[in-house]
Amino acid sequence: KAGVTQTPRYLIKTRGQQVTLSCSPISGHRSVSWYQQTPGQGLQFLFEYFSETQRNKGNFPGRFSGRQFSNSRSEMNVSTLELGDSALYLCASSLAGQGIADTQYFGPGTRLTVL
Amino acid sequence: QQQVKQSPQSLIVQKGGIPIINCAYENTAFDYFPWYQQFPGKGPALLIAIRPDVSEKKEGRFTISFNKSAKQFSLHIMDSQPGDSATYFCAARAGGTSYGKLTFGQGTILTVHP
Repeated sequence: KAGVTQTPRYLIKTRGQQVTLSCSPISGHRSVSWYQQTPGQGLQFLFEYFSETQRNKGNFPGRFSGRQFSNSRSEMNVSTLELGDSALYLCASSLAGQGIADTQYFGPGTRLTVL
Repeated sequence: QQQVKQSPQSLIVQKGGIPIINCAYENTAFDYFPWYQQFPGKGPALLIAIRPDVSEKKEGRFTISFNKSAKQFSLHIMDSQPGDSATYFCAARAGGTSYGKLTFGQGTILTVHP
């Protein structure tokens, strides 16, 4: 079974631009969570989508948004990029249905650099 | 507010040693505690996980000890090898509608010398 895939793997943008990152979950997984990883703040939860609905949201500004499609693939968008948005953005998928607790499997991440 | 505190930040051991990484949490709603291993350029990979109704869980060379009353849990790596050199993260998750949200510790960089 293929793992979680993320595209692109690397991205360089300038301040003020916007960016869209993509995540394809493991086949059959309905939940997709996004995390930001930086040396200073570590791994921080951005949001989670389940069955095309945002189910949980972290403490990030509204410039960070996401969506999930009917095939469970997910995208996250960051508008008006700031230097501090430079980070590794990780996507994780799980089976996660209501009442089911299970493992989150992470993709390799997208390294975003904002100049 | 950091809800999961992890220590130490870095750890150096000799091959065959038993590194121990500790985590403490505050939120009593947490009911699932996984440990992840991350190599440079890779995403985190699940090592082992535990629930608070179990005090210890062992999988291969990795053991989690859990103290519910103290709200602490730790990872022990038996017979550590140079290939175990990586960053280790503890995490916690609350039940209910928070299934998709993991709260991570700050990470421990482990170096195992040959």
